[in-house]
Amino acid sequence: DAGVTQSPTHLIKTRGQQVTLRCSPKSGHDTVSWYQQALGQGPQFIFQYYEEEERQRGNFPDRFSGHQFPNYSSELNVNALLLGDSALYLCASSSSGRSYNEQFFGPGTRLTVL
Amino acid sequence: KNQVEQSPQSLIILEGKNCTLQCNYTVSPFSNLRWYKQDTGRGPVSLTIMTFSENTKSNGRYTATLDADTKQSSLHITASQLSDSASYICVVYFDSWGKLQFGAGTQVVVTP
Repeated sequence: DAGVTQSPTHLIKTRGQQVTLRCSPKSGHDTVSWYQQALGQGPQFIFQYYEEEERQRGNFPDRFSGHQFPNYSSELNVNALLLGDSALYLCASSSSGRSYNEQFFGPGTRLTVL
Repeated sequence: KNQVEQSPQSLIILEGKNCTLQCNYTVSPFSNLRWYKQDTGRGPVSLTIMTFSENTKSNGRYTATLDADTKQSSLHITASQLSDSASYICVVYFDSWGKLQFGAGTQVVVTP
């Protein structure tokens, strides 16, 4: 059983560009959450997708958008990249029907903005 | 404001020694508290989970405690190994949809 997978592993972009990160949830999971983790900090919640809709959102600008597909996989899009967007982006999946809604994390995508 | 504070920020311990990490939270309403281990550049992996009514939970050499009255938790690592070198993050789940509040983590370095 594959866990949460993310692609790509690493990405280098320049300021002003756009980026798309991808996540496949753990088998049986229907909810996907995205987090941004700056170096030396804990993850910060970006948003959560359930039933192909954004269910919750953290304190991130509209430059950050997402999508969930019918197979529960998800994308995170960031437009007009800033240097401060450089971080590890984590995807976590969970099951809406499971108690405590434990989130399982993927290995992350390291984004560097030059 | 929902917050999770961890201490110390970092620590260095000798292989074979014990250590204790602290977590204080002001998150409400509280669902459960988890400790995660995060290796550098990797995603966090859950070590323990405790609900409001649980005081202690063990996972091998890791033992977590929870005092829901004082809103404090600790993670004790026994007989540390080099592979324990990682960031340990305290995470509080605080609604039925699984919304999380993360601490900044404690960076543990185990030296030979």
